[in-house]
Amino acid sequence: GNSVTQMEGPVTLSEEAFLTINCTYTATGYPSLFWYVQYPGEGLQLLLKATKADDKGSNKGFEATYRKETTSFHLEKGSVQVSDSAVYFCALSDPYNQGGKLIFGQGTELSVKP
Amino acid sequence: KAGVTQTPRYLIKTRGQQVTLSCSPISGHRSVSWYQQTPGQGLQFLFEYFSETQRNKGNFPGRFSGRQFSNSRSEMNVSTLELGDSALYLCASSTGLIGSTDTQYFGPGTRLTVL
Repeated sequence: GNSVTQMEGPVTLSEEAFLTINCTYTATGYPSLFWYVQYPGEGLQLLLKATKADDKGSNKGFEATYRKETTSFHLEKGSVQVSDSAVYFCALSDPYNQGGKLIFGQGTELSVKP
Repeated sequence: KAGVTQTPRYLIKTRGQQVTLSCSPISGHRSVSWYQQTPGQGLQFLFEYFSETQRNKGNFPGRFSGRQFSNSRSEMNVSTLELGDSALYLCASSTGLIGSTDTQYFGPGTRLTVL
């Protein structure tokens, strides 16, 4: 079945450092890929998405490219801020076969120190 | 546009009781999905409702059930609560249209504690 694997956390960075959070997936069909972020005590917020191979999703300085050849969707940001501290989830959906169902990775906690 | 709302935000119940959680989707959205989030199991899909019909179901026991009303609002019910049901329950809404552009938007969640 479909699955998502993320790098384990926690990840601790200094402000203005470069961020990469790895995400790989296993899927049949044509999945859509997402990154969601969860701040303490809150629900999930959509950060970015990509719906087909080679698409790049971007938002608030974060980027991720849908790589079908490596089945990856790594999240990157060039310069992190303290306010980026949160848990990041990679997820996929199979919209043509499984409707709205999202399959999530285990989450990666990011802590950014001033 | 108002976002996804969930009520109540916090609940404390005892083993054996039942509980009902409510979710109001974004206006115009016809699909509501429910997820359980725990430290051990992460985020797991419970079920999805679209136009008052269950369209997808995850691997949860029959104690977990749901329904959707004609205004797209959804409720989730858990009967005979167990300690392991303590979790954050998240609701997400989307247009429900089949296709790659559909996106799930999440509510703040209901924190259920079972004592």
